[in-house]
Amino acid sequence: GAGVSQTPSNKVTEKGKYVELRCDPISGHTALYWYRQSLGQGPEFLIYFQGTGAADDSGLPNDRFFAVRPEGSVSTLKIQRTERGDSAVYLCASSTSGITDTQYFGPGTRLTVL
Amino acid sequence: AQSVTQPDIHITVSEGASLELRCNYSYGATPYLFWYVQSPGQGLQLLLKYFSGDTLVQGIKGFEAEFKRSQSSFNLRKPSVHWSDAAEYFCASLWGGSYIPTFGRGTSLIVHP
Repeated sequence: GAGVSQTPSNKVTEKGKYVELRCDPISGHTALYWYRQSLGQGPEFLIYFQGTGAADDSGLPNDRFFAVRPEGSVSTLKIQRTERGDSAVYLCASSTSGITDTQYFGPGTRLTVL
Repeated sequence: AQSVTQPDIHITVSEGASLELRCNYSYGATPYLFWYVQSPGQGLQLLLKYFSGDTLVQGIKGFEAEFKRSQSSFNLRKPSVHWSDAAEYFCASLWGGSYIPTFGRGTSLIVHP
């Protein structure tokens, strides 16, 4: 079956612009996670959705970052007023239900802020 | 604070040789522990996980890991490495009651023919 997909695969934007990154989880997975991976580092947790609601958004670095999952499937990570420090690979993962279930990762979106 | 340490940034082995990648965690309670592999252009893939019970865990692709409470370690092993095992390996932990997985910085495995 189809895995987790993320679009776009690459995004180049200018400092100060707004970007949206999309994640399509595996069908039927109620749990969805966003991570950020900087060069040479492991993934850093951003936010965890259970269904439509954000169960934990404590990893979002500041109020420029926001994520939604309005229908409990597709999720969008939104970054306002991008800064060069936001450049990273943004990963999405989904799992059947809980945090201890196996997470299936997408290939990521590489964001470059010029 | 919870943390996961992978002390080796790079590991180089010859094809056919055995492999051990180190992972240490710091926290009082026993965490849930995971090993992931990330190949270029691919998403992270779960190799194995430990929650409780038998401290030697078998995973996919011939990997295994052993949880040692006394050493706060969860090292990944493979008896004979294949060239296709060249990738980035991440150890991760999750503590009970938390939704936030903590990842190590990763170990890059290089396999020489």
